[in-house]
Amino acid sequence: GAVVSQHPSWVICKSGTSVKIECRSLDFQATTMFWYRQFPKKSLMLMATSNEGSKATYEQGVEKDKFLINHASLTLSTLTVTSAHPEDSSFYICSATDGSSYNEQFFGPGTRLTVL
Amino acid sequence: TQLLEQSPQFLSIQEGENLTVYCNSSSVFSSLQWYRQEPGEGPVLLVTVVTGGEVKKLKRLTFQFGDARKDSSLHITAAQPGDTGLYLCAGGNNAGNMLTFGGGTRLMVKP
Repeated sequence: GAVVSQHPSWVICKSGTSVKIECRSLDFQATTMFWYRQFPKKSLMLMATSNEGSKATYEQGVEKDKFLINHASLTLSTLTVTSAHPEDSSFYICSATDGSSYNEQFFGPGTRLTVL
Repeated sequence: TQLLEQSPQFLSIQEGENLTVYCNSSSVFSSLQWYRQEPGEGPVLLVTVVTGGEVKKLKRLTFQFGDARKDSSLHITAAQPGDTGLYLCAGGNNAGNMLTFGGGTRLMVKP
C-alpha cells in the first residue's frame, strides 16, 4: 500500500517552455501533497505544500508564479514549471500523506528535469 | 524554524563494518522518520519513531529516538554493499503536516 507515482520520470525541454509534472497517490487518498526539489548529492528542499481544493502554501524563496501547483483531487497534484530555464534543471519529488500516520510521507520516484 | 543536523555527511566503509548515523536538533519533534534513497529514485520510508527513548530494530538496522525527542540515531550492523545509499532523517511537527529533513548521510559500503 501507500504507493505514489510520478509522471514523467524524465523530461528534457528547451528554455522558455512549460513543463507539467503529475503526482498521483495510487492506493490511498492524499489529504496533503508535498513538492520537493533535490540538487545533486543534497537533501530534499521543500518547495510547497498543497491540500486538495485549496491554494498551495509555498516556502520562502519559491516563486509561486514560476512553480504552479494544482491539487484538483485527493489523488492528483500537478507541478507546472513555467517558462523553464536551465537553472530550473533539477530532480523534483512529490510526496503524499493520508493524514492518519505520524507525519509519514510516501514519496514518488521523482522527475528529472533538464532544461536546455 | 526547526533544524536537523545530520552527521556524518559522507561515510565510506568496508563490508562487515558497523556504523552509526546521527540526527540532532535543538527542537522537539512529535515523530522522527528515517528514509533511504537510491540515485534517481524517491526516498523510501524505513521507520517512524514517536516515543522518547523508543528503539526499533529492522534486521541489521537499529533506530533510536532520544528521550527528549530532539535527536535520533541509526545504527547498521555488519554493513553490506546493498546498504549503500543516501540516508535521510526527518522530524515531524506537532501539527502533523510537515517534515523537516536533515542534510542526509551518503553511505558507501565497499565489498
